[in-house]
Amino acid sequence: KQEVTQIPAALSVPEGENLVLNCSFTDSAIYNLQWFRQDPGKGLTSLLLIQSSQREQTSGRLNASLDKSSGRSTLYIAASQPGDSATYLCAVRGGGYQKVTFGTGTKLQVIP
Amino acid sequence: DAGITQSPRYKITETGRQVTLMCHQTWSHSYMFWYRQDLGHGLRLIYYSAAADITDKGEVPDGYVVSRSKTENFPLTLESATRSQTSVYFCASSDVGQATSYNSPLHFGNGTRLTVT
Repeated sequence: KQEVTQIPAALSVPEGENLVLNCSFTDSAIYNLQWFRQDPGKGLTSLLLIQSSQREQTSGRLNASLDKSSGRSTLYIAASQPGDSATYLCAVRGGGYQKVTFGTGTKLQVIP
Repeated sequence: DAGITQSPRYKITETGRQVTLMCHQTWSHSYMFWYRQDLGHGLRLIYYSAAADITDKGEVPDGYVVSRSKTENFPLTLESATRSQTSVYFCASSDVGQATSYNSPLHFGNGTRLTVT
């Protein structure tokens, strides 16, 4: 059974700092990995999707990497801003189209 | 508005009552999903649908019923609500086809916060 872990559960950084969020998974037989952000009381917003054949994806200040063999992904946020404060979740798809396993998230607070 | 719309946003119901959560998407995505989000458990799949009239169980289907008579709608019904079904419910959709295959992203609605008293 796929297990997805995100450490730390919470992170607080000063504005302007570059930061890395981590996601690890136990079964490397995945189709893709998707990063989401969730604001309080809201749904999940898709940030980036990395296919299993890719090493990284970039969108603006966000860069996600994938090392499938070691079961790890990182989300790099450059020059963090207070508006980046949210919970970030990773999710891996594998073993069937409907089989998406979510991590429990990292709650990020960017302090002005 | 384009996207996924869930209704109601908040619902309080009593134990034993039937309640239906609505989900509507405007993209004509083939796949639709229902998840529940609970502290300590993260997001868990309740039911999913690959197309109209095709549904299947997810990880935690007990006590729930779904239907999908039209591509754009995927209602979730709690037949006899229990306190353990107090949760935030999210509907999601995803497209699949020869071009997108398994690499189409999931798109989520804003959720329904359900409280069973």
